[in-house]
Amino acid sequence: EAGVAQSPRYKIIEKRQSVAFWCNPISGHATLYWYQQILGQGPKLLIQFQNNGVVDDSQLPKDRFSAERLKGVDSTLKIQPAKLEDSAVYLCASSLDPTGELFFGEGSRLTVL
Amino acid sequence: RKEVEQDPGPFNVPEGATVAFNCTYSNSASQSFFWYRQDCRKEPKLLMSVYSSGNEDGRFTAQLNRASQYISLLIRDSKLSDSATYLCVVNKEDSSYKLIFGSGTRLLVRP
Repeated sequence: EAGVAQSPRYKIIEKRQSVAFWCNPISGHATLYWYQQILGQGPKLLIQFQNNGVVDDSQLPKDRFSAERLKGVDSTLKIQPAKLEDSAVYLCASSLDPTGELFFGEGSRLTVL
Repeated sequence: RKEVEQDPGPFNVPEGATVAFNCTYSNSASQSFFWYRQDCRKEPKLLMSVYSSGNEDGRFTAQLNRASQYISLLIRDSKLSDSATYLCVVNKEDSSYKLIFGSGTRLLVRP
């Protein structure tokens, strides 16, 4: 069974530029999450989708971050404009339902110069 | 106070040692608890769920103490391959069933 797919794996941009990350969850998984993991810290939830609806985006910096899951399958996370402190690994995860095991993708590593 | 707190370590132990990690959580309404393992530069993966009665999976034992609001992970007979970061995860079962990760405890098992 295919796992969670993410792209790109690595991205280097300059501050104030924009970047987009893509995630394709495991087939049939209704819940999709975007986490931000800064070096030395645990993953921090940015946004949680249930099908194509947002369940929690309380920690998403909405002035610069946006995310969508239009057809309830794959999702994109966008940062515009990027700041130095956005340098992190962006992890996408999916689960069958909100109480189920999370399966993570390999992550997208962002470096902002 | 952080919602989920862990000792960052690192815990540096010899092969064969027994090591234990604790994790405290702040929300008494939390209902579900997990340990995830994260290898260096890899994604987190579920190690085990933590049940009220405690549970064991081979060399790994997880326990929950609701009164004191902490969970623990015990690893017996440590192997080199156990070297990783262990993330404590708590599910705050409000309307969003939000999963909150601790910062992780790093374990180094030496030969």
